[in-house]
Amino acid sequence: SQTIHQWPATLVQPVGSPLSLECTVEGTSNPNLYWYRQAAGRGLQLLFYSVGIGQISSEVPQNLSASRPQDRQFILSSKKLLLSDSGFYLCAWDLMGQGLDLDTEAFFGQGTRLTVV
Amino acid sequence: QKEVEQDPGPLSVPEGAIVSLNCTYSNSAFQYFMWYRQYSRKGPELLMYTYSSGNKEDGRFTAQVDKSSKYISLFIRDSQPSDSATYLCAMSRSYIPTFGRGTSLIVHP
Repeated sequence: SQTIHQWPATLVQPVGSPLSLECTVEGTSNPNLYWYRQAAGRGLQLLFYSVGIGQISSEVPQNLSASRPQDRQFILSSKKLLLSDSGFYLCAWDLMGQGLDLDTEAFFGQGTRLTVV
Repeated sequence: QKEVEQDPGPLSVPEGAIVSLNCTYSNSAFQYFMWYRQYSRKGPELLMYTYSSGNKEDGRFTAQVDKSSKYISLFIRDSQPSDSATYLCAMSRSYIPTFGRGTSLIVHP
């Protein structure tokens, strides 16, 4: 079965510090990977998505970047955090749009609550 | 106009009530429709998944898709306090699902 791991669960970081959030997926190959940020009452904002190793698309210009060094690993980073980067970050995966009879729904990790102080 | 519109609520109902949650959308190319449940401080979990129009039932949950009206619904029968959560609709054409803001549901005993 497929599982998704996201860590850490909570993080408190000072303004100006770097950030690295990691997400890994097990039990599948070549998944689409996503990073979302969820602000209270504002739904899920898509930050980055990736359809393959080294392929990153950014949806919103911001202080963050993403990388996919391996097929099932997705990393969200920042060189210098801002107060406005605080939020609940969610990693997700699916197999949609791959032309296979394996279309699935987006599956989410448990999220990382980031507080920038 | 946002691609997906969802009333944030909160929606407060007594235990045992039938709950109706809805989303409207503007992109006629959407063909995959999902409902997620999210408890506080947790990641969303998939409840229902429907391809194209029609109804789908799973226990106390029924999902309806009306593509002609660009309207989807989630019905919860015999609602329980444990159903209290935020419900997010999502839809996509192929990949990159687009999410609604979520509706906060409170089921009180």
